[in-house]
Amino acid sequence: GAGVSQSPSNKVTEKGKDVELRCDPISGHTALYWYRQSLGQGLEFLIYFQGNSAPDKSGLPSDRFSAERTGGSVSTLTIQRTQQEDSAVYLCASSLIGSHYGYTFGSGTRLTVV
Amino acid sequence: GESVGLHLPTLSVQEGDNSIINCAYSNSASDYFIWYKQESGKGPQFIIDIRSNMDKRQGQRVTVLLNKTVKHLSLQIAATQPGDSAVYFCAETSSGTYKYIFGTGTRLKVLA
Repeated sequence: GAGVSQSPSNKVTEKGKDVELRCDPISGHTALYWYRQSLGQGLEFLIYFQGNSAPDKSGLPSDRFSAERTGGSVSTLTIQRTQQEDSAVYLCASSLIGSHYGYTFGSGTRLTVV
Repeated sequence: GESVGLHLPTLSVQEGDNSIINCAYSNSASDYFIWYKQESGKGPQFIIDIRSNMDKRQGQRVTVLLNKTVKHLSLQIAATQPGDSAVYFCAETSSGTYKYIFGTGTRLKVLA
């Protein structure tokens, strides 16, 4: 597609449930990133995929968070046993390796845990 | 859509005036910087970038200034328009890494 596509755009879930957030990056972009944006905060790095290399998971806040990137394209961020503090906007971005023009972000998934 | 960052620092300017948004970055080794604009309900959008070998870079109605001595970055918007209302973030990175560190953002409100 022309841009980074994320789904769903909004998700309301009950505390303790698992959720899956999807990101479809720009075709040909080998790097994919997940960030979290909490109310009143900047963007918090979660995880980074680059081609076939092992992902950089250093930003995942707990073992309830995991992410996959299948076939070097679509990525899924999974949050297990959701907690209220997981409520945030989850942003996905992609970029060309070697590009110095920053990321292209999707519109995000707003997750609300009730 | 809902706003992000209801408790962000806010800069209010009159339409037609110039805006200056400031950012203190954290890593003296950072050598590439970007300003992003985030409108309500949307993801951040690239505005302008600058490398550490430059002090100033101009785009269309926007100028970025970099002061490496005090680790300070600013975004100047000329003749601010209602469409400029958004949250603005600075981001920094260093060569060899594609992980960016984002500032907390500043909300720009343009008053008619």
